[in-house]
Amino acid sequence: DIQLTQSPSSLSASVGERVTITCRASQNISNFLNWYQQMPGTAPRLLIYTASTLQSGVPSRFAGSGSVTDFSLTISSLQREDSATYYCQETYTTPLTFGGGTKVEIK
Amino acid sequence: QITLKESGPTLLKPTETLTLTCTFSGFSLTTNGVGVGWIRQPPGKAPECLGVIYWDDDKRYTPSLKSRLSITKDTSKNQVVLTMTSVDPVDTATYYCAHRVRGVYAFDYWGQGTLVTVSS
Repeated sequence: DIQLTQSPSSLSASVGERVTITCRASQNISNFLNWYQQMPGTAPRLLIYTASTLQSGVPSRFAGSGSVTDFSLTISSLQREDSATYYCQETYTTPLTFGGGTKVEIK
Repeated sequence: QITLKESGPTLLKPTETLTLTCTFSGFSLTTNGVGVGWIRQPPGKAPECLGVIYWDDDKRYTPSLKSRLSITKDTSKNQVVLTMTSVDPVDTATYYCAHRVRGVYAFDYWGQGTLVTVSS
């Protein structure tokens, strides 16, 4: 199975700050990497698919980049409503593994 | 508008069989490229994809659970059914179904999830 390692596991940042979360795959997954946001008690919400494509309705402050094994999610100007846990997911092959998550808190 | 909703038991005893139904609207599982997946999330942990069923009845299961899982579809009822045999307390989780389509290669619409607890 492909392993996804997210870092950091948690972070605290101020409103307006630029935040970057990374996701490293254990093997080449091309650009088959997605990012989700999850608020407590709710289902994950798709933010970015195929590494860099913004899902419809997602604010433009979210951006994804990367390919092969190294990927990142950047929030260009953190907002209070961005407090959540973020997961990466590979869709290169079954079992469509999720990363361990990054919890983002607002200072 | 695409919606999905999971239904089924909330409490099971060890060794029992879990059967969950995903009822959806706003799309058809006969459309080329469409799939419905099952994902679970134990409390406080990351999601885990259990499997996906596609429009052409292709099914893909996570290898570690493949012997215990079955996913079927009823296109006339717009439903997908997940069956998991021999449940254990470690199977306690919120179970989600989600829509997937070729080109997006992600789960773009999710159900609200249903918490299933396994306890004696």
